Amino acid sequence: EIVLTQSPATLSLSPGERATLSCRPSQSVSSYLAWYQQKPGQAPRLLIYDASNRASGIPARFSGSGSGTDFTLTISSLEPEDFAVYYCQQRRTWPLTFGGGTKVEIK
Amino acid sequence: QLQLQESGPGLVKPSETLSLTCTVSGGSISSLYFWAWIRQPPGKGLEWIGSIHYNGNTYYNSSLQSRVTISVDTSKNQFSLRLTSVTAADTAVYYCARPHDTMPNVAGAFHMWGQGTMVTVSS
Repeated sequence: EIVLTQSPATLSLSPGERATLSCRPSQSVSSYLAWYQQKPGQAPRLLIYDASNRASGIPARFSGSGSGTDFTLTISSLEPEDFAVYYCQQRRTWPLTFGGGTKVEIK
Repeated sequence: QLQLQESGPGLVKPSETLSLTCTVSGGSISSLYFWAWIRQPPGKGLEWIGSIHYNGNTYYNSSLQSRVTISVDTSKNQFSLRLTSVTAADTAVYYCARPHDTMPNVAGAFHMWGQGTMVTVSS
């Protein structure tokens, strides 16, 4: 099973600042990594798939990069609605696995 | 517009069986995707439970494999989750989901989600 380690656990930032979130798989997932945003009481929303492809309707301030065992989700300038929890997920092999999440909170 | 809706009991007694159904509307469950169940205990992260293809191929989380069965009913456009011998640790919001349009026949990233249903295990 591929373990995904997300860091930091919590990121305290102000609106307008840049957010950089990390996801490190325990073994290579090639480019088969996705990012999700989840707000309280809501289902997760797919932001990025296959490392760098934005899902439909996702603003351009969200971008993904990386391959193998080192991935980054960047939010270029935080909007008030971006404060949420973010998860990564690999689809390189079964079983599918999720990271533990990074909470982006208002500083 | 594809929609997924979970249904089932919100309360299950310990040692009993949890059964949930996901009804798919606005599209066919016989499309070439692996339909999934994912859960989230209160205050915790996401856990993939398993996935099923309309042709019956299934994959399960190894930690749950001995207790879980996912099945599909193409005539009702539904797929279902059955989890036996539940304990308080199975208390969670349960989601059904479908991969992104570009991911037929493969393990996917989940683009379409149901709203989730809370299941509590308690006597």
